[in-house]
Amino acid sequence: EPEVTQTPSHQVTQMGQEVILRCVPISNHLYFYWYRQILGQKVEFLVSFYNNEISEKSEIFDDQFSVERPDGSNFTLKIRSTKLEDSAMYFCASSEARGGYNEQFFGPGTRLTVL
Amino acid sequence: AQSVTQPDIHITVSEGASLELRCNYSYGATPYLFWYVQSPGQGLQLLLKYFSGDTLVQGIKGFEAEFKRSQSSFNLRKPSVHWSDAAEYFCAVGNNAGNMLTFGGGTRLMVKP
Repeated sequence: EPEVTQTPSHQVTQMGQEVILRCVPISNHLYFYWYRQILGQKVEFLVSFYNNEISEKSEIFDDQFSVERPDGSNFTLKIRSTKLEDSAMYFCASSEARGGYNEQFFGPGTRLTVL
Repeated sequence: AQSVTQPDIHITVSEGASLELRCNYSYGATPYLFWYVQSPGQGLQLLLKYFSGDTLVQGIKGFEAEFKRSQSSFNLRKPSVHWSDAAEYFCAVGNNAGNMLTFGGGTRLMVKP
């Protein structure tokens, strides 16, 4: 069964460093998403991406964040200068099509720890 | 703005007992509602979804959920819980554009032998 994969599973970084979180969405999916979950808090939407453009983003997704689909398979989230409060589990998701009823398939997450 | 509330943070049930996990949502239009399950070290797996039609929806692993518009609820049920159902359960509402899911805080289910 096709699945979304994410690497690394755990990333530790120093405050102020740049990190890139990687995701490989399901191959025939066209819509891609990033969510995060700070420990003990809700899963929060960050951004959605389609046709090499951001479709929608939340207020969390400020100038420190960027997304890219550098090739036909990877989808990345970059945090330019990490802060302590960026420590969270980051989930990538993908869906075949757009629309509230389309299932988003989630990856296992990358745990980011900022020291 | 859309929002989801899961009033129960933790629930413990005995194996074989029935289960109901509560979910209340706030959304201006007809909601797209989802239940996801997360086992340790795993991603979020979709259990079931509702967007129209029959208000009782069946999902995987023997779960069902009932949409009640008058109560703004979408509670998840299972008649007989198995030890492997121990996990965290998330209710979510999707916007019409389909770009964004809004999640509840999750309910952690523990199953006693």
